[in-house]
Amino acid sequence: GENVEQHPSTLSVQEGDSAVIKCTYSDSASNYFPWYKQELGKRPQLIIDIRSNVGEKKDQRIAVTLNKTAKHFSLHITETQPEDSAVYFCAALSGGYQKVTFGTGTKLQVIP
Amino acid sequence: DTGVSQDPRHKITKRGQNVTFRCDPISEHNRLYWYRQTLGQGPEFLTYFQNEAQLEKSRLLSDRFSAERPKGSFSTLEIQRTEQGDSAMYLCASSRSRTETSPLHFGNGTRLTVT
Repeated sequence: GENVEQHPSTLSVQEGDSAVIKCTYSDSASNYFPWYKQELGKRPQLIIDIRSNVGEKKDQRIAVTLNKTAKHFSLHITETQPEDSAVYFCAALSGGYQKVTFGTGTKLQVIP
Repeated sequence: DTGVSQDPRHKITKRGQNVTFRCDPISEHNRLYWYRQTLGQGPEFLTYFQNEAQLEKSRLLSDRFSAERPKGSFSTLEIQRTEQGDSAMYLCASSRSRTETSPLHFGNGTRLTVT
């Protein structure tokens, strides 16, 4: 089955700096890669996603890149703000049954 | 926004008891997922329904776990003879199948504590 690895597990940045979170996946058939943000005690919420037919997608301060050959994808957050502090999960969707496999999460702390 | 709703929000039970959780997906969503999440970990896939059909079940899921989705609407997840290792947040998510992949929308989860 699919295996998703995520790094780093924790990340501290100064407010205004950029943050980058990286993930790798194992199943070359995976074709959809969402990113979720989870604040303490709350549900995971989708922040951006990318499909395998594109290499990059941007939404304001958030961007995601995908390298299908290397089977890795990354989340980039620019001009970080304290409200960006949360746990971020990458995920990959594989197989005809639409099973989504999550990474282990990155705890991002933005220091004011 | 009707969203995905889960009930109860919290459940405390003694080891050996059975528990049942309910999930009501977004009304037009035909796919429903159950995940389990422990502290510091990502959501772990348990099982998945398309309409009323259970299409996949994690090999990690013991026979004590069973899920149903009668009539393709709400779903229930039952854990029999609970163990302390079952303590976790149980998340339900739903999505809509169409030509393009539809993202998962999560509920607030049911936090289970087994004492």
